[in-house]
Amino acid sequence: GAVVSQHPSRVICKSGTSVKIECRSLDFQATTMFWYRQFPKKSLMLMATSNEGSKATYEQGVEKDKFLINHASLTLSTLTVTSAHPEDSSFYICSARDGLGGAVNYGYTFGSGTRLTVV
Amino acid sequence: GENVEQHPSTLSVQEGDSAVIKCTYSDSASNYFPWYKQELGKRPQLIIDIRSNVGEKKDQRIAVTLNKTAKHFSLHITETQPEDSAVYFCAASMWGGKLIFGQGTELSVKP
Repeated sequence: GAVVSQHPSRVICKSGTSVKIECRSLDFQATTMFWYRQFPKKSLMLMATSNEGSKATYEQGVEKDKFLINHASLTLSTLTVTSAHPEDSSFYICSARDGLGGAVNYGYTFGSGTRLTVV
Repeated sequence: GENVEQHPSTLSVQEGDSAVIKCTYSDSASNYFPWYKQELGKRPQLIIDIRSNVGEKKDQRIAVTLNKTAKHFSLHITETQPEDSAVYFCAASMWGGKLIFGQGTELSVKP
């Protein structure tokens, strides 16, 4: 089945530094990657949609200059949290439409998530 | 844009009883409705999904129903077991676009 590998699984960084999170599709081409953040006991909130070779589309209220998304290849999308602050501490998770069932029977494959703690 | 509402936020049942979680969506163009089970700190795990061309789908103890006219869909778990305890999310998308999640339901199955 479709697999999305996400790294790192946990990261602790100091305030003001930047952190990069990678999501890689291992056995399919992920032309589109979705990035979510999840606070404890809350739902997954869509942050942005990244398309290979083009600029990401950010949801309302998400700062594009703070959450930099790059989707340079069909198998790799990255999220960089710039100038991180404690309020950025959260669980970040990526998802890709796998399309293994064709244009009709698609599904979504999730990365394993990244727990970011900013101190 | 799409908005998905999920109820209840918490649900407690006795082992062996049935559990029902309901979701409504706002965009009538949405055509894919998955349900996920998520354990703490883990990725969402797909448990069942339904597409808009069918009204009901069943997989052993789990079933999902879809009412396109009313724009709501429901998850039914029968013969609940303690290991069913987790947080469940419904979601909706349109033609493989962004997947929007409901608020989640924390299900507790008491032995």
